[in-house]
Amino acid sequence: SYVLTQPPSVSVAPGQTARITCGGNNIGSKSVHWYQQKPGQAPVLVVYDDSDRPSGIPERFSGSNSGNTATLTISRVEAGDEADYYCQVWDSSSDHHVVFGGGTKLTVL
Amino acid sequence: QLQLQESGPGLVKPSETLSLTCTVSGGSISSSSYYWGWIRQPPGKGLEWIGSIYYSGSTYYNPSLKSRVTISVDTSKNQFSLKLSSVTAADTAVYYCARHGRAVAVFDLWGRGTLVTVSS
Repeated sequence: SYVLTQPPSVSVAPGQTARITCGGNNIGSKSVHWYQQKPGQAPVLVVYDDSDRPSGIPERFSGSNSGNTATLTISRVEAGDEADYYCQVWDSSSDHHVVFGGGTKLTVL
Repeated sequence: QLQLQESGPGLVKPSETLSLTCTVSGGSISSSSYYWGWIRQPPGKGLEWIGSIYYSGSTYYNPSLKSRVTISVDTSKNQFSLKLSSVTAADTAVYYCARHGRAVAVFDLWGRGTLVTVSS
């Protein structure tokens, strides 16, 4: 089955840029989606189809996807961005199914 | 505004069947554009997709759970349901229902989640 690998944690100072990676075999050929989850809350979609943003999501959130790595980039990080972030794809290679990465805890120093 | 709401017992005994329902309000579950899915999250851990269903009854399941999972839909009630059999403590989790696109499997709308504890 398809596996998505994320770093367990990323730390960044306020105002700096955070980059959260999501690794997978030839992930560049898939559409990658990113979710933000704050404690006690349901996940919220922040980037879909590699680099598109839903309405209401700040432009500070952006995404890219190439080769074996997809990246969520958060510019001008704010304290309110501290959360867990998950990448997700649809794996149609074998048994069609949804795959989530293990999640990355973003800490704002 | 379309909303999803999970409901069901918060405590299930080991070896029994976990049953949850997701009620869709503010819109129709019979939309041709969406699938309706279940995702769970054990305490302190990551997200795990359980399965998804189309209003016609077509389903996709996580291969690792497929032998124990049944997802069904009741369009007359605008609801879809999850049954997970032979539960153990490892099935203790917050269970979310969510909507994802038919063309692109992105979850754009989630319920608030419900905690289900498996314990005797």
